[in-house]
Amino acid sequence: GAVVSQHPSWVICKSGTSVKIECRSLDFQATTMFWYRQFPKQSLMLMATSNEGSKATYEQGVEKDKFLINHASLTLSTLTVTSAHPEDSSFYICSAPRGGVETQYFGPGTRLLVL
Amino acid sequence: EDQVTQSPEALRLQEGESSSLNCSYTVSGLRGLFWYRQDPGKGPEFLFTLYSAGEEKEKERLKATLTKKESFLHITAPKPEDSATYLCAVQAGAENTPLVFGKGTRLSVIA
Repeated sequence: GAVVSQHPSWVICKSGTSVKIECRSLDFQATTMFWYRQFPKQSLMLMATSNEGSKATYEQGVEKDKFLINHASLTLSTLTVTSAHPEDSSFYICSAPRGGVETQYFGPGTRLLVL
Repeated sequence: EDQVTQSPEALRLQEGESSSLNCSYTVSGLRGLFWYRQDPGKGPEFLFTLYSAGEEKEKERLKATLTKKESFLHITAPKPEDSATYLCAVQAGAENTPLVFGKGTRLSVIA
């Protein structure tokens, strides 16, 4: 079964509003989570690394004031897209490495459509 | 800079027609090479992790192999339900480091 969940699975919002996406590790603790963005027929591009108890680290070109990340607990990271615009429309996916297991687990993704 | 290149971009097979997908990579200090399957509108689903050249792993109709420069995902006698995008990714450094993905191969298996 799923080990990483995301909520909501899809969201439609008006331009200028803010949208919060949650990523949860279901049966393990994750001190680190990753946020990716995927445009149609493109691969996953890393946006930022979410660290429990410290500030997130952002990839070059990703605006930290626009994409706010909060790693509230060892099982929850949130991504808030502030003042969303149509160009922010994309598929947002989180992942979490699970200690002792040879992989990173991905959430089911959140489809964001900004009108 | 770590890079992953997958080929072909798209592949169309008849049911039962075996083939291979390629993943070429350049990375400083490979920790692991990962294969994922992604269905439309869903997150990647883990298939394999390979750690060193010469390693092979199998799961049902899929077999992944690794050399020092590339990895192959062999699909034997595919079925329509194998249709998906197959993603290759590499990880360098420590366990808690992000993956670098290729653009994927879109596989269509026709009955």
